Amino acid sequence: DIVMTQSPLSLPVTPGEPASISCRSNQSLLRSNGYNYLDWYLQRPGQSPQVLIYLGSNRASGVPDRFSGSGSGTDFTLKISRVEAEDVGVYYCMQALQTPPTFGGGTRVDIK
Amino acid sequence: QVQLVESGPGVVKPSETLSLTCGVSGFSVGSGYFWGWIRQSPGKGLEWIGSAYHTGTTYFNPSLKTRLTISVDTYKNEFSLKLRSVTAADTAVYYCVRHGAVLPPGNFDIWGQGSRVTVSS
Repeated sequence: DIVMTQSPLSLPVTPGEPASISCRSNQSLLRSNGYNYLDWYLQRPGQSPQVLIYLGSNRASGVPDRFSGSGSGTDFTLKISRVEAEDVGVYYCMQALQTPPTFGGGTRVDIK
Repeated sequence: QVQLVESGPGVVKPSETLSLTCGVSGFSVGSGYFWGWIRQSPGKGLEWIGSAYHTGTTYFNPSLKTRLTISVDTYKNEFSLKLRSVTAADTAVYYCVRHGAVLPPGNFDIWGQGSRVTVSS
């Protein structure tokens, strides 16, 4: 199985400031079609996960444009341009290149 | 809007079969998406279990494959999970999910609220 590693484990943030989460895979997630098979999910406290970004950089329906995904191959980043209070929770990256899809261990974002 | 709602027992005895159903509203399970299950436990984090298409096509996590059945019922507009011979390691919150008709599974765009299952005698 592909191993996904996220950093940091915990990220205290200040509302209005930017934030960034890193995700690394132990093999390339770039397919010959040019897409990176990497999703980002947010699990707010007490809620189910929800998809934020799919195929590396595509925002899911209804996701605010302050969220962006970038990177290619084995190194990826989720950026929040200006953090809002509703952005607290645990963020997960997930590879969708191979079956089974596998998730990172999560990055917990909370307000300073 | 599309909603998924899990139902099933909260406690299952070791060696027995865990059975969960996911009721779907706002969308037909026969309309071109895969329907699957993901579980979350403190020890293993988020783990994809498997997915099924309304035609009967299924894809399973190899680590669970020998114990799994996932099926889609277009008449009831629901899908179900059966995991046999459970142990304490199967204790988790189980989510039903939807994803597009491409493989490997990705972009899980709809999630149920989760069903907590404990394996205990």
